[in-house]
Amino acid sequence: GDSVTQMEGPVTLSEEAFLTINCTYTATGYPSLFWYVQYPGEGLQLLLKATKADDKGSNKGFEATYRKETTSFHLEKGSVQVSDSAVYFCALSELGNNRLAFGKGNQVVVIP
Amino acid sequence: GAVVSQHPSRVICKSGTSVKIECRSLDFQATTMFWYRQFPKKSLMLMATSNEGSKATYEQGVEKDKFLINHASLTLSTLTVTSAHPEDSSFYICSARAGYGYTFGSGTRLTVV
Repeated sequence: GDSVTQMEGPVTLSEEAFLTINCTYTATGYPSLFWYVQYPGEGLQLLLKATKADDKGSNKGFEATYRKETTSFHLEKGSVQVSDSAVYFCALSELGNNRLAFGKGNQVVVIP
Repeated sequence: GAVVSQHPSRVICKSGTSVKIECRSLDFQATTMFWYRQFPKKSLMLMATSNEGSKATYEQGVEKDKFLINHASLTLSTLTVTSAHPEDSSFYICSARAGYGYTFGSGTRLTVV
């Protein structure tokens, strides 16, 4: 079945550092890929998405490119801020399937 | 657009009582809504898919009689945790399909004492 794998463990980095969170997926068809962000005590917010291969999703300085050849959708940001501290979830949805498959999420802590 | 409102945001209840959580789509019609449970430092676990006008589809291992889902209209789905116990304490989040994406509620922190 469909699945999403995110790198293990929390990520702690200094302000203005470069952030990468790895995400790889397994799917039978051609899924849409998403990154969601969850701030403390809140629900999930869509950060960015890509619906087909080679698409790049971007928002608030974050970017992720849909790589079919490596089945990846890594999240990057060139210069993080303290306000970016949150949990980030990678997810996929197959065409014709209502459900979202989530990765385990990565806690990102940005220290001043 | 595509806003989902979830209420309450926090609730504390006594063991053995029932708690109802509401999820409303404010500016669109949601024929399908999803209920998730999130454990501390864990990902989201899909509990059930709520379909307007029909029975919910529960994921394996989720007790149907304990987590009652009602989707009586195109804008409202409810999750009732019946006879709650401390192990039911968790963060519950609803979601609805909107266009090509999904919109999430802000979550409900349930604490059973």
